[in-house]
Amino acid sequence: EEQLVQSGAEVKKPGESLKISCKGSGYSFSTYWIGWVRHMPGKGPEWMGIIYPGDSDTKYSPSFQGQVTISADKSKNTVYLQWSSLKTSDTAMYYCARHRAIFAVVSIDLWGQGTPVTVSS
Amino acid sequence: DIQMTQSPSSLSASVGDRVTITCRTSQSISNYLNWYQQKPGKAPRLLISVASSLQSGVPSRFSGSGSGTDFTLTISSLQPEDFATYYCQQSYSTPWTFGQGTKVEIK
Repeated sequence: EEQLVQSGAEVKKPGESLKISCKGSGYSFSTYWIGWVRHMPGKGPEWMGIIYPGDSDTKYSPSFQGQVTISADKSKNTVYLQWSSLKTSDTAMYYCARHRAIFAVVSIDLWGQGTPVTVSS
Repeated sequence: DIQMTQSPSSLSASVGDRVTITCRTSQSISNYLNWYQQKPGKAPRLLISVASSLQSGVPSRFSGSGSGTDFTLTISSLQPEDFATYYCQQSYSTPWTFGQGTKVEIK
């Protein structure tokens, strides 16, 4: 079964660092782009960026460039999202998401279960 | 960034109703449009890609249409399991953006 399994819920204080993970299984992990999507309550999802685990080529949304770091360890079939200094505004659900292209149209065909991140003093 | 505007933001409907959700983009995106369904506490699920291509396993009562700037998602006969929030997403240019969602509730 193809799946993405994310690390568990996190509760942090402002200014702390954090790294969450997403492990893929059941498919050729290194050959699909994996991205991260932020979802805040009552809002539409926000695409943060993607990485190609095969060579770690990474693209960021301008809104998240410099705010987070996306990385991958293809030997572990795992992609990461990290913050060096969290803000209360980072409180959200974070999904990892496999991207694939059909007729050049990219869509997200596989999602992780989500990692809730709470940042509060 | 390409702005996505969905309407309505919520609707109430009965089982068996025909439901139409609209997504409008701030610039032409050809057919680079996807639709997702999300139920409470769950990750989104891809329903339709390339504006009208139904994903494997998605019931045929779901359909998508449109190109350019105007798109629709139609549920021909609403079923109890269809009560959820629906999002459109463009993949014409990065950053890929989502609509704000349409919540389909039981009347």
